[in-house]
Amino acid sequence: AQKVTQAQTEISVVEKEDVTLDCVYETRDTTYYLFWYKQPPSGELVFLIRRNSFDEQNEISGRYSWNFQKSTSSFNFTITASQVVDSAVYFCALSERLRDTGRRALTFGSGTRLQVQP
Amino acid sequence: DADVTQTPRNRITKTGKRIMLECSQTKGHDRMYWYRQDPGLGLRLIYYSFDVKDINKGEISDGYSVSRQAQAKFSLSLESAIPNQTALYFCATSDGSGEKLFFGSGTQLSVL
Repeated sequence: AQKVTQAQTEISVVEKEDVTLDCVYETRDTTYYLFWYKQPPSGELVFLIRRNSFDEQNEISGRYSWNFQKSTSSFNFTITASQVVDSAVYFCALSERLRDTGRRALTFGSGTRLQVQP
Repeated sequence: DADVTQTPRNRITKTGKRIMLECSQTKGHDRMYWYRQDPGLGLRLIYYSFDVKDINKGEISDGYSVSRQAQAKFSLSLESAIPNQTALYFCATSDGSGEKLFFGSGTQLSVL
């Protein structure tokens, strides 16, 4: 069963629009971490944010903000006043214990491709 | 210099060939991972290692093997490459604190 769902495969917006990328996760752990990574056209993976399961405070960093709601198992990412440089694939990820080893590893969603048109 | 270095950056090979992708890191992390990225599927875990003597299979280990030669080096091998192993491969490290991963730049592998 998929553990991290990013239902939006691709989103296209015009510059200066606000855009929200959805992420829904599934886990039996009581302690876990959630992440967002950005993959620009150059291909590297850029860390954006980590949130632990005990901290439901929303976070804002410049034009970026994140809304974590345990009640709905969601960790959504909003870009305010989008810019062309925000064009990228964005991945949501969940860190949880793997059943076979009990070790932690990240499980990624399938990604959302964001295109910001000038 | 990059903290997590993958070589080669690009590789084209033929079906049936053996190929090795290498990863080295200067971050001093014990934990290392290999992920594979396919369009529309995100990143999937192939193998992970929490120290030199600790190697574990991930979600999609069939057709792959790994070697942890030292704390800083973690290699991924395809013993007999097949076309559906064409993908972008990422190596990553973690210090185990909060599971944040530090990624290499990726290796684009094409199997013809």
